[in-house]
Amino acid sequence: GAGVSQSPSNKVTEKGKDVELRCDPISGHTALYWYRQSLGQGLEFLIYFQGNSAPDKSGLPSDRFSAERTGGSVSTLTIQRTQQEDSAVYLCASSYDREDTQYFGPGTRLTVL
Amino acid sequence: AQSVTQPDIHITVSEGASLELRCNYSYGATPYLFWYVQSPGQGLQLLLKYFSGDTLVQGIKGFEAEFKRSQSSFNLRKPSVHWSDAAEYFCAVVLKGSGDKLTFGTGTRLAVRP
Repeated sequence: GAGVSQSPSNKVTEKGKDVELRCDPISGHTALYWYRQSLGQGLEFLIYFQGNSAPDKSGLPSDRFSAERTGGSVSTLTIQRTQQEDSAVYLCASSYDREDTQYFGPGTRLTVL
Repeated sequence: AQSVTQPDIHITVSEGASLELRCNYSYGATPYLFWYVQSPGQGLQLLLKYFSGDTLVQGIKGFEAEFKRSQSSFNLRKPSVHWSDAAEYFCAVVLKGSGDKLTFGTGTRLAVRP
């Protein structure tokens, strides 16, 4: 079946601009996660959605970062007023249920000039 | 402090040789344990996982891992490495009942010598 998809695959933006990154999870998966992979910080958790529960935002690095998940499916990660330190690969993962195996998408490579 | 440690940043092995990648965790209780592989330009692919039960876990691509509670370790092994195994390998944990986010080690980059 189809895996997790993310778009765009690459995004280049100027400092100060807003960007939106999209994630389509595997159909039927109730849990959705965003992670960030950067040279300085490695792989780090950003935010987690589970069903209709309030999201776990504990990993978001600043209030410039936000995410939503509409209809329990597609998720959008928004970064406002981008900074150069936001340059990273943003990975989305989904799982059938909480504490189940997470399956990752190919990621969006964000470059902030 | 709670952490996942992969002590080897880079490892080079010859094709056909055996491989062991180390992973140690520091948590009060045994977490769920995972190994993921990331090939250049690719996302993360699950190799294997340990939730409970048999401490020797078989995964895809001929990999296995052994959970050793006494050593807080979950080392990844493969008896004979193929050139296509060159990639970066990440050990990760989920702490049971305390949130479902994966906490990753820093990764081990594997190079395979012809």
